Amino acid sequence: SAVISQKPSRDICQRGTSLTIQCQVDSQVTMMFWYRQQPGQSLTLIATANQGSEATYESGFVIDKFPISRPNLTFSTLTVSNMSPEDSSIYLCSVGRQAVTSREQFFGPGTRLTVL
Amino acid sequence: AQSVTQPDIHITVSEGASLELRCNYSYGATPYLFWYVQSPGQGLQLLLKYFSGDTLVQGIKGFEAEFKRSQSSFNLRKPSVHWSDAAEYFCAVSDSNYQLIWGAGTKLIIKP
Repeated sequence: SAVISQKPSRDICQRGTSLTIQCQVDSQVTMMFWYRQQPGQSLTLIATANQGSEATYESGFVIDKFPISRPNLTFSTLTVSNMSPEDSSIYLCSVGRQAVTSREQFFGPGTRLTVL
Repeated sequence: AQSVTQPDIHITVSEGASLELRCNYSYGATPYLFWYVQSPGQGLQLLLKYFSGDTLVQGIKGFEAEFKRSQSSFNLRKPSVHWSDAAEYFCAVSDSNYQLIWGAGTKLIIKP
């Protein structure tokens, strides 16, 4: 398994501002993902972060609102832009290996975001 | 369409009692199945996985799960729960793009 850290662990932000969340992995990984978990809900995939190219976004999520960077195989950032109270959630990054026998994902501790 | 169903939103069991959490999936090919646990205020931890082979898989923390293809199920079990098992449990299946499709989760409450 991989060791994944996220910064910040939590934040309280004002509406209209932006927050960038960092995800650092202790080893090179093929796949990195960003999820949103709204209060009391399951996980929703925001996008797959692709190294050296634009992220692949899921339906309902757009690059202008959730820009993602992945400059190398161990690091990615997610920015939540022009925030509103509806963006209050836990944001999680995960990593996986593109292997036939190993499709599990490992998760960071999450970033708990509150927007006032 | 691929989907995962966890029919129980909440389950309450007494400490020391046995536990079974239900998970049903809909997936056309051979499923890669997972159970994760999320303790309050924490990230998700992989409990166990099924890919192939023995349909009864053992995981961490004394959990096991049984894959039943005929019932499209992958139920999680533990013979005797501890208060520290109180958490949210998620079942997931991997699709052909290596993405995980998640169930809605089951919140486990432990009675003293």
